[in-house]
Amino acid sequence: SQTIHQWPATLVQPVGSPLSLECTVEGTSNPNLYWYRQAAGRGLQLLFYSVGIGQISSEVPQNLSASRPQDRQFILSSKKLLLSDSGFYLCAWNGMGHTEAFFGQGTRLTVV
Amino acid sequence: GIQVEQSPPDLILQEGANSTLRCNFSDSVNNLQWFHQNPWGQLINLFYIPSGTKQNGRLSATTVATERYSLLYISSSQTTDSGVYFCATGYSSASKIIFGSGTRLSIRP
Repeated sequence: SQTIHQWPATLVQPVGSPLSLECTVEGTSNPNLYWYRQAAGRGLQLLFYSVGIGQISSEVPQNLSASRPQDRQFILSSKKLLLSDSGFYLCAWNGMGHTEAFFGQGTRLTVV
Repeated sequence: GIQVEQSPPDLILQEGANSTLRCNFSDSVNNLQWFHQNPWGQLINLFYIPSGTKQNGRLSATTVATERYSLLYISSSQTTDSGVYFCATGYSSASKIIFGSGTRLSIRP
């Protein structure tokens, strides 16, 4: 069966520090991969999605970037964090043809 | 791009009551999902329902794709049903999954 792993679960980082969040999927090939951010009490905002290795689409101009170095690995990064980058980050995947999507456990990031 | 609207934004009910949550979308879509976000933030898959009707215990969902809406029904509500319910949809030409703003459901004992 397919599983999605996302880590770390919580993270506290100072302003100006770098960020790297990792997401991996097991049990499937060539998944569509997604990064979302959820501010406190708000909905989910799509940040990046990828349909293949090295193929990244950005939805919102921001201080973040994404990379897909391997088929089942999706990384969210920042060179210098801002206070406004705080939030709950969720990784998701679905299959070709836009089948059901599944989410990781999420990373709660606090920038101080 | 596609717009997804959910109503009502907030719903407070007594335990045992029934509820209907609505999701409207602005364009033709080829997938539609309902999620429940628990207090720890985890998104729980409820239904994958591009069209038709599905039922799972006290929950059921109906999507009428031609009229661009989906409904989630919760019967005999329990306090554990509390949380935020999201619908999400997308279409293959854009490879995106877009979320509605959610319905916050509070079930009081």
